[in-house]
Amino acid sequence: AQSVAQPEDQVNVAEGNPLTVKCTYSVSGNPYLFWYVQYPNRGLQFLLKYITGDNLVKGSYGFEAEFNKSQTSFHLKKPSALVSDSALYFCAVSGNTGGFKTIFGAGTRLFVKA
Amino acid sequence: DGGITQSPKYLFRKEGQNVTLSCEQNLNHDAMYWYRQDPGQGLRLIYYSQIVNDFQKGDIAEGYSVSREKKESFPLTVTSAQKNPTAFYLCASSPPERGIYGYTFGSGTRLTVV
Repeated sequence: AQSVAQPEDQVNVAEGNPLTVKCTYSVSGNPYLFWYVQYPNRGLQFLLKYITGDNLVKGSYGFEAEFNKSQTSFHLKKPSALVSDSALYFCAVSGNTGGFKTIFGAGTRLFVKA
Repeated sequence: DGGITQSPKYLFRKEGQNVTLSCEQNLNHDAMYWYRQDPGQGLRLIYYSQIVNDFQKGDIAEGYSVSREKKESFPLTVTSAQKNPTAFYLCASSPPERGIYGYTFGSGTRLTVV
């Protein structure tokens, strides 16, 4: 069965510092991995995805994520955090077997302090 | 601009009342989804549809019903059988479900029982 875990409920970082939001997954076959961001009372917005190819994926707003097959992880990163990055971040996974159903993590709240 | 429109943004339901949440997309996407979001629980799939006139139950379908008479529209009815309907409801769409496409989300409907 597919699953995705975001081990941290909340991440706090100072503005200008690098940030990492963690995600690990379990899926049969090759994983398709996604990150989304949600601002208060809004829907989720797509940030980036890994399907195949380069392990380092670049996305919107300066975010990037690194796919690590041996550790089954897909951590979201940004070299220099902004206060406006404060939001709820969701990792999601689907597999190329079992109907391609997409599973979302529970979300990690990111606080960036000025 | 293409996108997904959910209405209303806020909805209040009395005990024992059925209410319908609207979801319309102009992205020409085949697949549409309804998710429920509760604090700390991430997204839970209620129903999904991969093609017009066809839909499947998700993980928490009890107390909900849907229809898919048009490609653009996927309304969700919250029935009186749903005992705890207060939540944030998100509609999403994607090209045919193959796992490699990200989802486009609407802005959500916040439903409150009064």
